[in-house]
Amino acid sequence: NAGVMQNPRHLVRRRGQEARLRCSPVKGHSHVYWYRQLPEEGLKFMVYLQKENIIDESGMPKERFSAEFPKEGPSILRIQQVVRGDSAAYFCASSPPQGGTQYFGPGTRLTVL
Amino acid sequence: SQKIEQNSEALNIQEGKTATLTCNYTNYSPAYLQWYRQDPGRGPVFLLLIRENEKEKRKERLKVTFDTTLKQSLFHITASQPADSATYLCALGGNQFYFGTGTSLTVIP
Repeated sequence: NAGVMQNPRHLVRRRGQEARLRCSPVKGHSHVYWYRQLPEEGLKFMVYLQKENIIDESGMPKERFSAEFPKEGPSILRIQQVVRGDSAAYFCASSPPQGGTQYFGPGTRLTVL
Repeated sequence: SQKIEQNSEALNIQEGKTATLTCNYTNYSPAYLQWYRQDPGRGPVFLLLIRENEKEKRKERLKVTFDTTLKQSLFHITASQPADSATYLCALGGNQFYFGTGTSLTVIP
């Protein structure tokens, strides 16, 4: 069974560019979560999605950040006009339809130059 | 807003001893609590889940307790091994999902 897959694993962007992070959940999982982790800090919840629906985006900045989980294909976290403060590790997790335990991907490390 | 506190400092223990990690929380009543392990450069890996109506859960050398009155969970690793060295995260689940900042455990051979 393939676990949660994220790509790219490392992403370098210059200030003002766009970053697109992709997450393929565990097969059969319909819930996806995105988290951000800064060095020496804990995981910060960003957004919780089900297929074609955003359930909770209370942790996501109102500007420049968006997320989607289309009916087909991976979930996408999009950061427009990146700034240095966006540099972090971004983790995606998925859980089965009934919720509960989250299974994490390996993360995407974003570096903004 | 909710607050989760884990052992404030890194924990160093001798191989073979029992490691005990603490997770305290406020302003939240989770339906369940989970413990994860995270190694450097990797995503968290699920270890154990304990529900609000459970007092204790065991899995091999791991034991978790959950006291909803004290708003505290304890995570024990018995007969610790150097391979247990990692950061351990507690997470509260319910309507939302919150992670603590983690406790770094080092098991010294």
